[in-house]
Amino acid sequence: DSGVTQTPKHLITATGQRVTLRCSPRSGDLSVYWYQQSLDQGLQFLIQYYNGEERAKGNILERFSAQQFPDLHSELNLSSLELGDSALYFCASKPGGGRGNEQFFGPGTRLTVL
Amino acid sequence: AQSVTQLGSHVSVSEGALVLLRCNYSSSVPPYLFWYVQYPNQGLQLLLKYTSAATLVKGINGFEAEFKKSETSFHLTKPSAHMSDAAEYFCAVSDARDTGNQFYFGTGTSLTVIP
Repeated sequence: DSGVTQTPKHLITATGQRVTLRCSPRSGDLSVYWYQQSLDQGLQFLIQYYNGEERAKGNILERFSAQQFPDLHSELNLSSLELGDSALYFCASKPGGGRGNEQFFGPGTRLTVL
Repeated sequence: AQSVTQLGSHVSVSEGALVLLRCNYSSSVPPYLFWYVQYPNQGLQLLLKYTSAATLVKGINGFEAEFKKSETSFHLTKPSAHMSDAAEYFCAVSDARDTGNQFYFGTGTSLTVIP
């Protein structure tokens, strides 16, 4: 158990819908990273937040957005869903500072778009 | 930006044989390097990391990796494969110059262990 929790574990929805994925980082970790993992794209970095502020952006679509709240949990919002958005979505957390610190991954949310 | 190349998307070894998973990185400064393992339907779990201390790094489950600056490599090895080692392995590099200490992951290597 990494200490990072993600809900829900599974999500099935239809095209055109909007969903919200939730992530609670390890206690005290200030950074949250979101990743998408699919068979054809591999592990793709989406976005990172540090202590409530957006810090880095990766291959995140405009239909996707995220935020980190004062209690440090984070939400990833996916809208106008397409079949190709079906994937595993991971969040990871990392302590502030300490350049050699590793990211701790949650168990993931499996999104299926029908 | 940093990049990581994992040679061989699929590797098969016999149980008891040497495991060698290759990782090469590109970086103009000393990087921080990580190996993660992902078992089916699970998140990524850290195996080991290199943070500019000893070049030979020992990790969990009998794995180790050696940082070779001259070859820009960080290959993962295990002397004797076990059936439970079957999983996906990811190499990652972190560049402290990046805002937010972003990690760059390789495309992964799927390890199959043949009984």
